Amino acid sequence: QVQLQESGPGLVKPSETLSLTCAVSGYSISSGYYWGWIRQPPGKGLEWIGSIYHSGSTYYNPSLKSRVTISVDTSKNQFSLKLSSVTAADTAVYYCARESGAAAGTNYMDVWGKGTTVTVSS
Amino acid sequence: SYVLTQPPSVSVAPGKTARITCGGNNIGSKSVHWYQQKPGQAPVLVIYYDSDRPSGIPERFSGSNSGNTATLTISRVEAGDEADYYCQVWDSSSDHPGVVFGGGTKLTVL
Repeated sequence: QVQLQESGPGLVKPSETLSLTCAVSGYSISSGYYWGWIRQPPGKGLEWIGSIYHSGSTYYNPSLKSRVTISVDTSKNQFSLKLSSVTAADTAVYYCARESGAAAGTNYMDVWGKGTTVTVSS
Repeated sequence: SYVLTQPPSVSVAPGKTARITCGGNNIGSKSVHWYQQKPGQAPVLVIYYDSDRPSGIPERFSGSNSGNTATLTISRVEAGDEADYYCQVWDSSSDHPGVVFGGGTKLTVL
């Protein structure tokens, strides 16, 4: 059974960099799939941040692209998110997820982590 | 960028049928996926590829997709179906391909 677990600081100061890690168990990242990050501000909907393939190729949300870096560490079976120059608007629950899809352009998230709350405040 | 439009809320009596729509330009040409999210929980995939159900999802959940509208249908609605529902596609039509979510629909069971 595939499980994902987010970890990282729950409080980040404005202008600093938010860093989160998603540990994957029950499946080897190097075997395939895209792996993604999604966030949800308080009381709002889901926002896709970006995705990474096990080989390292990435897709980013254009609205966040200039501040986002997603990387993968196959030796630790985990992938990570860095979001720079954060503001209060980046306060959200951050989820990691596995993306499945039989063909290019059909990705969906079939396994989700429980989410971690990140607050941006001084 | 591609936009998915959902009604903010839908209300239905127990035992009746709920239909939640997801509008997008020629969405019928894309694969649509649906998620259920209950308060304080992570989203759960309930429909993928327009109408396929993951294992463990009741047959009461079904989906369709044609033209400019995709629809999630929940038959014989139960109190436990009360949740937020999100549609999602992969947009490959722009210079920046990626995942797109609808704004979400809150399903209230009366």
